[in-house]
Amino acid sequence: AQSVSQHNHHVILSEAASLELGCNYSYGGTVNLFWYVQYPGQHLQLLLKYFSGDPLVKGIKGFEAEFIKSKFSFNLRKPSVQWSDTAEYFCAVSSSGSARQLTFGSGTQLTVLP
Amino acid sequence: DAMVIQNPRYQVTQFGKPVTLSCSQTLNHNVMYWYQQKSSQAPKLLFHYYDKDFNNEADTPDNFQSRRPNTSFCFLDIRSPGLGDAAMYLCATTQSYSNQPQHFGDGTRLSIL
Repeated sequence: AQSVSQHNHHVILSEAASLELGCNYSYGGTVNLFWYVQYPGQHLQLLLKYFSGDPLVKGIKGFEAEFIKSKFSFNLRKPSVQWSDTAEYFCAVSSSGSARQLTFGSGTQLTVLP
Repeated sequence: DAMVIQNPRYQVTQFGKPVTLSCSQTLNHNVMYWYQQKSSQAPKLLFHYYDKDFNNEADTPDNFQSRRPNTSFCFLDIRSPGLGDAAMYLCATTQSYSNQPQHFGDGTRLSIL
């Protein structure tokens, strides 16, 4: 069975600070990796995804993530956060070729102080 | 332009009183999922439909049922809600078992009195 760990439960940053949210997964086969964001009162939205190819993936709103296979990691980064980035961020994994089982991490609440 | 719509946004029911949550989609996707998300926890898949084929997760309690009368609608029925069933329930859709990401609704927050 696959599992996802997000080690940071709550991150508080000032505007313009750099962000890195950790995500590690456990699965023996080929995976698809996702980061979803949930702004206050809104639904889960896809931030970025990795299926294959370049391990550095760029998403919306200046976010990027790097897949490091040897570390089973898919950390999310942004060089300079804004107050509007305040949200909950979920890392998720599914086995390659199938969308049947999407396994989420427990989420990281990001608070950006103006 | 909401594509996955869940009604109601907030639902309150009494202990043991059956409740139904609704999900509809305008994407014409053939896969629809129901997740349960408790406070500070990851969304947990309960079951999903691929067209009319129902796929239950092994650890989903029997208390949870689902119906999909057509492509656009999917319902989550909780036959006898307990206090432990208070949670956010999320509906999501995707087109077949592809690598495409799932599209989520806003969720229904269920409270049990």
